[in-house]
Amino acid sequence: DVVMTQTPVSLPVSLGGQASISCRSSQSLVHSNGNTYLHWYLQKPGQSPQLLIYRVSNRFSGVPDRFSGSGSGTDFTLKISRVEPEDLGDYYCLQSTHFPPWTFGGGTKLELK
Amino acid sequence: QIQLVQSGPELKKPGESVKISCKASGYTFTDYAMHWVKQAPGKGLKWMGWINTYTGKPTYADDFKGRFVFSLEASASTANLQISNLKNEDTATYFCARGYDGRDWGQGTLVTVSS
Repeated sequence: DVVMTQTPVSLPVSLGGQASISCRSSQSLVHSNGNTYLHWYLQKPGQSPQLLIYRVSNRFSGVPDRFSGSGSGTDFTLKISRVEPEDLGDYYCLQSTHFPPWTFGGGTKLELK
Repeated sequence: QIQLVQSGPELKKPGESVKISCKASGYTFTDYAMHWVKQAPGKGLKWMGWINTYTGKPTYADDFKGRFVFSLEASASTANLQISNLKNEDTATYFCARGYDGRDWGQGTLVTVSS
């Protein structure tokens, strides 16, 4: 199975600042159809995960443009600019290229500095 | 508006069984796969498997073969997760999630296993 390594585990940020989360896969996430199925989620405290970015760089419906995803192959990044209080929580990457299974990263806790 | 509404929290004893439901609305149920995800207290997300809502065929992750059963009530747009012979380590919140990219999630169902 593909292993997803997410860093850092904890990320202290200031409101209005920028945050960057990395997700690295043990093998390329480029599917045979040319698409890359790497997605990002935010889980706010006490809530279910919510999709932010799908297929590397596509913002899901209603997601502010402060969130951006990039990367290719095995290295991917989620950037959050102008961090707001509602952005705090746990972030996860997920690969579904080599499905089954879905494989999640270990998570990154975005918290106030 | 697309919604996945899960059944309420459960308190069970070791050895008992539990059935969690996930009722979908706002889309054609059979057009999207349904996944199940486990989150133990204070831990990350772990994929349990998925069910093809068109054919009803379930697929289980290796760690969830044997005591876990995915099923459908397609006429009610509902997916179910049944766990038998509950163990303390089954204490967790269980989520259903729609589609290859998990674009919608249920609110989660907390299952507590305690004697």
